[in-house]
This record gives sequence, structure tokens and C-alpha cells, in this order.
Amino acid sequence: ETGVTQTPRHLVMGMTNKKSLKCEQHLGHNAMYWYKQSAKKPLELMFVYSLEERVENNSVPSRFSPECPNSSHLFLHLHTLQPEDSALYLCASSQDPYSGGTTDTQYFGPGTRLTVL
Amino acid sequence: AQSVAQPEDQVNVAEGNPLTVKCTYSVSGNPYLFWYVQYPNRGLQFLLKYITGDNLVKGSYGFEAEFNKSQTSFHLKKPSALVSDSALYFCAVRDAGGYQKVTFGTGTKLQVIP
Repeated sequence: ETGVTQTPRHLVMGMTNKKSLKCEQHLGHNAMYWYKQSAKKPLELMFVYSLEERVENNSVPSRFSPECPNSSHLFLHLHTLQPEDSALYLCASSQDPYSGGTTDTQYFGPGTRLTVL
Repeated sequence: AQSVAQPEDQVNVAEGNPLTVKCTYSVSGNPYLFWYVQYPNRGLQFLLKYITGDNLVKGSYGFEAEFNKSQTSFHLKKPSALVSDSALYFCAVRDAGGYQKVTFGTGTKLQVIP
């Protein structure tokens, strides 16, 4: 897990707060991902960045706003969240999702446990 | 479109017994297949992957997985389960032929009983 780090590990926020989640990868990868993991639901892919460009946005509400200033850092800005947004938010990185013929193994961070009151 | 199925929500096995966690997949071309493990309140940890070649893939912590093309399966196995193996296991697939993001299964909870 030291290859991909996430901060904070735990976050409690009210519905009117604004907060940000941070992810950093030390693997020299070109792609980064945000996933949402809720209890008893499949892993949900939220956003994909490749070479700092957003390449996927899977119908995520606008109260979630990603930012990728460089290939090593990824942020998820949160504002006016709802209680149903409480979940474990996972960041991952991989070498290059656009290269056919490579496995593009994803490596995950430890996650941020978010609770929205 | 590609997909992956983990038919069991939970698998219970006694400590010391062999364990199997099932996974089947569907891709249009050749698959790349992965297994990840997740301990409580932690991220997913990569266990092993199948690319090509030998159908039996060995990974971390004594786990292995068997690729079966005719049955489109990639079951995770371990000869002797440990209580510390209790966790959530995810199978994932990616089509080797071009760009497709990795698709994850819904996860199987493994409970090893002392």
C-alpha cells in the first residue's frame, strides 16, 4: 500500500461542508482512478484520469469534483454531500489504460472512510 | 462488453482445509485476469494475475489461481486456509485486445473458521 497513499484515512463532515480527499501515487503510473465502495454494493468506478486528462466520468453527481494537477496526484473535492454518499473512497493507479496488450494492473490506496452526517 | 461474475457472496472453510473462491468471466477476445484481496477498512491488494501461458498462476500469500479457457473460469485456490485469510476477494477482467478498463466482480467474503 505504500505505492499509493490517501489522506485523510477517515473524514466526518456535515452536509454543508466542503472538504477534499487526496491521493498520491509513487509508482510512476500515468493513470489514476476514483472508486466508491459502499456496503453490500459493487465497486463503483467514478472517474478515470490518464495523463492528467479526465477520460471517464461515470454519471457522478456534480457534488463530487475531481482534480488531477499532475500524474502523481489526484484530488476529490466534496461539497453539499448527502448521507448516502457515506462510503469508502478508493484511489488507484495503473500504467496506461489505453495500451492494448498490457495488463494495466491497478494498485490501490488504503481508502478514505467518509461519513456524512 | 466484458463482465465478471463471482457466484458466491460468502465462502466458509475450516482452518487447514483447502479453499476455492469462484470466478467466471466474459470477454470478446483474450482475457487478462486478476485477483485482489481486501481486509476490513483497507484498499484492495493485488494478489495475482493471468496474462498468458501456464494456466496455473501463483501469487502472494500462498494463493494460486487456475485459468480454464473452456469454462471461462479463473478460480482462486489455496491448499491450506489460515484464519488470517479471512477477507473480501475480488476477481477482475480486462480484454487483452484493446482499451477496456478493468471490470471488477462483486466480491466474495471468505471466512476461515478456527
